[in-house]
Amino acid sequence: SQKIEQNSEALNIQEGKTATLTCNYTNYSPAYLQWYRQDPGRGPVFLLLIRENEKEKRKERLKVTFDTTLKQSLFHITASQPADSATYLCALVGGNKLVFGAGTILRVKS
Amino acid sequence: EPEVTQTPSHQVTQMGQEVILRCVPISNHLYFYWYRQILGQKVEFLVSFYNNEISEKSEIFDDQFSVERPDGSNFTLKIRSTKLEDSAMYFCASSALGGFLMNTEAFFGQGTRLTVV
Repeated sequence: SQKIEQNSEALNIQEGKTATLTCNYTNYSPAYLQWYRQDPGRGPVFLLLIRENEKEKRKERLKVTFDTTLKQSLFHITASQPADSATYLCALVGGNKLVFGAGTILRVKS
Repeated sequence: EPEVTQTPSHQVTQMGQEVILRCVPISNHLYFYWYRQILGQKVEFLVSFYNNEISEKSEIFDDQFSVERPDGSNFTLKIRSTKLEDSAMYFCASSALGGFLMNTEAFFGQGTRLTVV
């Protein structure tokens, strides 16, 4: 069956450090992968999309990599800030829908 | 900036009652979705809707659920006879021309928290 796995444990890091979040998938062959941010009690907010022929994509302090051989995406936040604390969701297209991973909670401490 | 709006933000209902959750997608979007999130769990797909018909639905979306686009702006989710396990946050989303097949992101509303008592 298709699975999307993200770090189940929260990631706690110090302000200014780089946060790295992992998304692994099985039984998918996605043409692209998306990352969303979700704050408590709020809807997911789109951050980045990376296509299968792109190894890396950047947007301001965010960087995403996509390795279709390893079936893995890494999401990096550089120079992290307390305001980056949230749950980060990996999402893949399956049919006519986005399928989300369970998300990884990021806590950035000042 | 355009946004997806959902009403109400919170609804409390008695078990067995019907509820209608309302959404106004972004105006030039053609693909619409409902997701739900039970407290502490992942965001789960319920249904996708395009060209006035359901394009895909999950196992969760049984006969108790229905969706409708009654006019040019609203998109509704109806639960006919609510159960305790329907308590969750329900998110509406929309995406532009081509939907996900065109590498398009989804725009989510802020959600309706449904509490069934």
